[in-house]
Amino acid sequence: DSGVTQTPKHLITATGQRVTLRCSPRSGDLSVYWYQQSLDQGLQFLIQYYNGEERAKGNILERFSAQQFPDLHSELNLSSLELGDSALYFCASSRSGRASSQYEQYFGPGTRLTVT
Amino acid sequence: GENVEQHPSTLSVQEGDSAVIKCTYSDSASNYFPWYKQELGKRPQLIIDIRSNVGEKKDQRIAVTLNKTAKHFSLHITETQPEDSAVYFCAASTSGTYKYIFGTGTRLKVLA
Repeated sequence: DSGVTQTPKHLITATGQRVTLRCSPRSGDLSVYWYQQSLDQGLQFLIQYYNGEERAKGNILERFSAQQFPDLHSELNLSSLELGDSALYFCASSRSGRASSQYEQYFGPGTRLTVT
Repeated sequence: GENVEQHPSTLSVQEGDSAVIKCTYSDSASNYFPWYKQELGKRPQLIIDIRSNVGEKKDQRIAVTLNKTAKHFSLHITETQPEDSAVYFCAASTSGTYKYIFGTGTRLKVLA
């Protein structure tokens, strides 16, 4: 167990709908990262937050948005869902205490999203 | 933009043999290189990492080497076991950017 939690584990919804995925980082970790992993594909970096602020953006669609709250948990919002959005969505956290250093990322168990 | 190439995409070895997976990064400022193992349907798990001030790091049967000049790093697994079968991802990160760029993954099969 990495200490990173994600809910829900599974989500089935229809095209056009909106869902929210939730992530709680490890205790003491300030950074949260979101990744998308489609079937048999690699990890696509979506977005990263540090202590409540957006710090880096990857290949995140405009239909997707995220935020990190004062208690450091994060939510990823996916709207106007399409069949191609079906994937595993992972959250990861790290300490990232200073911009001059990197710390290990620890991944949550993921949320499997199925869009029908 | 930043890119990490990973080879091979699939690798089959006999149990007890060694396996080597190679990654090449594009951003010369990258200075942190983790490797993750992902079993089917599970989360990626950090197995070893290396920073740019070190050329090699070992942890039991696993080792990582880094060649900063050539901008590539490799994962070496010795005495492979069936439980080593998984998808392995390399990544590169640059201080100050907060981004981790992942390779496309290598599916390792260890044949008993």
